[in-house]
Amino acid sequence: NAGVTQTPKFRVLKTGQSMTLLCAQDMNHEYMYWYRQDPGMGLRLIHYSVGEGTTAKGEVPDGYNVSRLKKQNFLLGLESAAPSQTSVYFCASRTRQGASQPQHFGDGTRLSIL
Amino acid sequence: AQKITQTQPGMFVQEKEAVTLDCTYDTSDQSYGLFWYKQPSSGEMIFLIYQGSYDEQNATEGRYSLNFQKARKSANLVISASQLGDSAMYFCAMRVHVRSGGSNYKLTFGKGTLLTVNP
Repeated sequence: NAGVTQTPKFRVLKTGQSMTLLCAQDMNHEYMYWYRQDPGMGLRLIHYSVGEGTTAKGEVPDGYNVSRLKKQNFLLGLESAAPSQTSVYFCASRTRQGASQPQHFGDGTRLSIL
Repeated sequence: AQKITQTQPGMFVQEKEAVTLDCTYDTSDQSYGLFWYKQPSSGEMIFLIYQGSYDEQNATEGRYSLNFQKARKSANLVISASQLGDSAMYFCAMRVHVRSGGSNYKLTFGKGTLLTVNP
C-alpha cells in the first residue's frame, strides 16, 4: 500500500533556485494539503486543495505556489528559494467522507536552502 | 483563534508502564475534533487516535486512549504498557474547518512532546 508518496525525499538548493515537490496519493482522496515543519514546532499549513483544479491558501502561503491538475497529484512549487524556506515538507490527503477522518501523511521532504 | 498547547517538551517512561501526554486546546467552536499523531525519528507522521467534541465516550485504539475532559478543554493521550518502539515525538492537533465547506478542515498542531521509553 503506497498511500501518500512524496518526491524527492531530500534536496539541497541554492538561494534563488526553483523547484517542485511532488505529492501523489493512491487512495482516491478529494482533499490534499501541504504543510511545513520547522524545528521545535508543529506542522503549519501552506496550501490545500479540495479537488482537481482547485487550490487555496493556508497559514503560511508566501513564497509557494501549488497546482492540482490531477486528482491524485498535488505539486508544491518554490519559484525563488530563500533560506527561510529550509524545512521539512509534508503532504497529506484525506477523504471528504466525514470530518472525523484523519489526514494521511507522506514521509516528508527535507529541503535545505543555502 | 484556535490553539493547541502541549506543555511537556519531553517525557520519560519505563518500559511496560503507562504514560500520559498532555494536550489542552482553545476554541470557540462547538463542533471540533482532536487528533494525536506519532512521529518517530524516521520522520513520518502516523495517525493514532481521534476524539470528536460530541463523542460521549473517550476514544480508544489498542494501547492508546484519550482522556477527554471537555470542560477543562483537555485531550490527553494515555499510552498503556509502553514499549521501546513508542519512543517518538507526539503531536496533538485540532481540526479547524475551512471556508470551502463540506467536511474539509485544516489541522492546527501543538509543538509536540518527545517521549523516551527506557528499558
